[in-house]
Amino acid sequence: DAGVIQSPRHEVTEMGQEVTLRCKPISGHNSLFWYRQTMMRGLELLIYFNNNVPIDDSGMPEDRFSAKMPNASFSTLKIQPSEPRDSAVYFCASSDRRFNYGYTFGSGTRLTVV
Amino acid sequence: QQQVKQSPQSLIVQKGGISIINCAYENTAFDYFPWYQQFPGKGPALLIAIRPDVSEKKEGRFTISFNKSAKQFSLHIMDSQPGDSATYFCAASKGSNYQLIWGAGTKLIIKP
Repeated sequence: DAGVIQSPRHEVTEMGQEVTLRCKPISGHNSLFWYRQTMMRGLELLIYFNNNVPIDDSGMPEDRFSAKMPNASFSTLKIQPSEPRDSAVYFCASSDRRFNYGYTFGSGTRLTVV
Repeated sequence: QQQVKQSPQSLIVQKGGISIINCAYENTAFDYFPWYQQFPGKGPALLIAIRPDVSEKKEGRFTISFNKSAKQFSLHIMDSQPGDSATYFCAASKGSNYQLIWGAGTKLIIKP
């Protein structure tokens, strides 16, 4: 398995633009998580899905952020409009709750909003 | 009560030494305690995990010690190597809730 695949690896965008981050979880995993990592705030859970259904989006900072999981093999995190304070590394992780609690993280998307 | 407190924030250890990172929690309902290792430019990766029915778990040079009464758990890295230099996160979760509560991370540097 290729692991959790995120794209793009790096994204530089201007303030006000729409940004879409993509994630392909490990096949067979039924939970998917979006995290944001910054030096100041560490790892923050933004939202997680079980069986493609959003379970907890309380970590989504504001209405500018939205996430979807249209099927078991794809999820997106969208920021519209983007702001400089959104600059961070965004990670997607997946897991299979039936067997263990371990998360497998992707390599992340480094977002810079200028 | 949902917090996991991790210390130290950073740690420098000589090659061959023992690295020790500590975590404390408040919520007695937590029943799963993993440690993750993160290298620069990569996502965190599960290193080792423990449940409260055992006091210690060892995998190679990595050992988790768990003290249920004190609500503390720690990661010990024996014979630390420069390749162990990374950021380490402890975490905790409870039952079917499943959401991991993360420590703030410890940046470990192993000096050759």
